[in-house]
Amino acid sequence: QVQLQQWGAGLLKPSETLSLTCAVYGGSFSDYYCNWIRQPPGKGLEWIGEINHSGNSGSIKYNPSLKSRVTISVDTSKNQFSLKLTSVTAADTAVYYCARGDHISGLGHWGQGTLVTVSS
Amino acid sequence: QTVVTQEPSLTVSPGGTVTLTCASSTGAVTSGYYPNWFQQSPGQAPRALIYSLNNKHSWTPARFSGSLLGGKAALTLSGAQPEDEAEYYCLLWYGGTWVFGGGTKLTVL
Repeated sequence: QVQLQQWGAGLLKPSETLSLTCAVYGGSFSDYYCNWIRQPPGKGLEWIGEINHSGNSGSIKYNPSLKSRVTISVDTSKNQFSLKLTSVTAADTAVYYCARGDHISGLGHWGQGTLVTVSS
Repeated sequence: QTVVTQEPSLTVSPGGTVTLTCASSTGAVTSGYYPNWFQQSPGQAPRALIYSLNNKHSWTPARFSGSLLGGKAALTLSGAQPEDEAEYYCLLWYGGTWVFGGGTKLTVL
């Protein structure tokens, strides 16, 4: 059974860096992409980016609207992947989700979500 | 800026059938967009229902199905149950990036 468990700081000040990690338990880590998605309070879902197990630059894709501030990385030795978002503002306040999958298999498995609040 | 459009809200009677659609600002949606559909209840993480247009996950109830309809991706719910009341999101693949639709609030009433 595949499970994703995520963690990270939940309260940030403007201009700080958001940092979240997602661990994948069960299944094959190397066969799928790992994605980050966010949802501002009361709003819809926004795809942030994805990475595969190789972690090479060709395997990393970002939402163009966030690309300048986002870094996604992978640690295959721990079956974990991470998200960093720099220079956060109140507009980055959201529940952040990790999800495993790709365009062939779909984003079938999701983490529980982490609420990140940006406030001075 | 690619925009994916869904109906803001729909209502279905218990036991009834409803179709939700998902349109792309770039033109007709095809299987090459690998449409995904998700269900989200308040306070919960999204739950995947459909992937690659019409494939169900092992946990997807049989009453949900995916298809193409008039140049859009479609999610059909046949035999709606009270527990199907939720927000539904589609997700389209643009050759390396994904874009979510704005969501459809489905009421079972």
